[in-house]
Parts: sequence; structure tokens; C-alpha cells
Amino acid sequence: DQQVKQNSPSLSVQEGRISILNCDYTNSMFDYFLWYKKYPAEGPTFLISISSIKDKNEDGRFTVFLNKSAKHLSLHIVPSQPGDSAVYFCAAKGFYGGSQGNLIFGKGTKLSVKP
Amino acid sequence: DVKVTQSSRYLVKRTGEKVFLECVQDMDHENMFWYRQDPGLGLRLIYFSYDVKMKEKGDIPEGYSVSREKKERFSLILESASTNQTSMYLCASSSRRTEAFFGQGTRLTVV
Repeated sequence: DQQVKQNSPSLSVQEGRISILNCDYTNSMFDYFLWYKKYPAEGPTFLISISSIKDKNEDGRFTVFLNKSAKHLSLHIVPSQPGDSAVYFCAAKGFYGGSQGNLIFGKGTKLSVKP
Repeated sequence: DVKVTQSSRYLVKRTGEKVFLECVQDMDHENMFWYRQDPGLGLRLIYFSYDVKMKEKGDIPEGYSVSREKKERFSLILESASTNQTSMYLCASSSRRTEAFFGQGTRLTVV
């Protein structure tokens, strides 16, 4: 059973517009959420994170919103640029049981930003 | 800068071979992870380790084993490679309270 879900496998956006990538989770014990960006043939790179005690975190063009009651988070990219075209993974982490904080990833959303 | 280095970018191995994938991190992180990435399946955790000589199974450990003899090094072993193990393998490390940092990945093809 998937604990972290990214229901949109792909998203296409025009350059300069907003990109919104969504992520849902099922485990209420998760307390830290992250977004990673991945280009083909490279490892994922960390983009932005949010702790469960916050509902928003902003870093330049990237903002992550967390709605704990809905178990939903989203990544907003504005304005979108062609270089943002990549696969975006949502991940969650919780310090419970024996997990020692390992990350649980969604399946990813492929973002294409068209010039 | 955190560095996670995987020993090979591309590997081609024959069915039945024993395969070693090596990963080294230079940040003194406690946690190290091996994931595989396949189209439509995202990143799936194979094994992780939270200390030297400690290991825990992830979601898909079958056909794999790991070794962590030193804190900075985490090895993934395919005991007898099969074609369904053709994939992109990603190593990562983290401390208990930080994000994970990934290596560049190893594209393994088993023929």
C-alpha cells in the first residue's frame, strides 16, 4: 500500500506560468516532507522541505504548502522555466518505530515546461 | 559540499553473475540507503543502514544483500543477477535530522 502518492504522472505548463505538483500521504506519523528533482541519468537533488509544524515554506521560486488535516502537500513553482523540466518526487519521513528516518517516496511527476 | 559517490555510472553484467555496487559518502552520515528507480514505479527502497554493521530490509530486498563495514561505505550485492534487476540504482545518505543526499546513480543492465 502506497504511503506517499503522486497521482499525476505528468504535467505540462507554459513557461512563465505556475506549476503545481501535488502529493498525498496516508501515514499521520510522518513529520517531515521533502521534494526532490531528478534529471535523466542523474541522482535526485534536494529541492525544498517542510516540517509538520509549519504549513508553508518558501525558497525563491519554490514554495511548499502542507495541509496536515487533508494529509496533502503541494509544490508551487512560479514562474516556471524550461530548466525546471524534470521528474519531481515527493518524500516523507517519520521518526517512529525502527525506521530511523528513512524516506518514503512517491512515484514522481514528470514536469514539462514549454517555451 | 556533501558528496555521495557511486563506483560506476554504467554497468553491463551477465545473468547469474555476482554484482557489487559501491557507495561512499564523505559527511559522516549515520544513515545510508539503496534505492532502485524504474519507470512508473518511482524510487523503491531496497535496503538501508543506520549504523555500521546494521542493516534493515526495505520494500524490495529479494535478490539483494548489503554490507556496511565502515561508516562511509555501503555496498549493494546482487547475489545472482537477473534481467529483472536491470534498473537505475541510487545510493543516498543522511543524518537523522537532515534530507538525504543522493549519488549520481548506476545504470545496471543485466543481459
